[in-house]
Amino acid sequence: AQSVTQPDIHITVSEGASLELRCNYSYGATPYLFWYVQSPGQGLQLLLKYFSGDTLVQGIKGFEAEFKRSQSSFNLRKPSVHWSDAAEYFCAVGVNNNDMRFGAGTRLTVKP
Amino acid sequence: DGGITQSPKYLFRKEGQNVTLSCEQNLNHDAMYWYRQDPGQGLRLIYYSQIVNDFQKGDIAEGYSVSREKKESFPLTVTSAQKNPTAFYLCASSMGLASGGATDTQYFGPGTRLTVL
Repeated sequence: AQSVTQPDIHITVSEGASLELRCNYSYGATPYLFWYVQSPGQGLQLLLKYFSGDTLVQGIKGFEAEFKRSQSSFNLRKPSVHWSDAAEYFCAVGVNNNDMRFGAGTRLTVKP
Repeated sequence: DGGITQSPKYLFRKEGQNVTLSCEQNLNHDAMYWYRQDPGQGLRLIYYSQIVNDFQKGDIAEGYSVSREKKESFPLTVTSAQKNPTAFYLCASSMGLASGGATDTQYFGPGTRLTVL
């Protein structure tokens, strides 16, 4: 069965610094990959998704992610973090609508 | 505005009580899902429904029940059989069958926080 690993439980970056959140997946075929963001006490908002095609995917709020098949990774990046980006970020992999696996999440803290 | 609504936002339950969490969507989506979120564990699937009057168990269905009588609604009942129900519950929907069967994007509601007293 597919699985998702987010190696970093908590990351702290300074405002204006660059950000990279790691995501590794385990799945035999080409996966469908997603990044979601969750503010405290809220639902999940989709940042971006990869289904096929260009391996560099642009999302909302200035985020991007790159699918690297050789590394089984789908890391999320942002060149300059804003204080409003502080939240929890979830990577997910889907095989079909019945089976979508989420990572445990990475909590992002932004220092002023 | 199209979206998913969940109510109530906060819910308190005494031990031995059943409670029902509401989930409504006006996105005309076929598929709906219930997830449970615990700190440090991500999201775990409780139940899902691909079409009206049909639903399937997810990974942690024990102690929960659902119904899907209308396309727009997918209520979740947390029964007294669920031994540790305190958690954050998220409902989601997706195009489902209308997308042709491939994985499509799930859209989430704002969640309900259930606390057992």
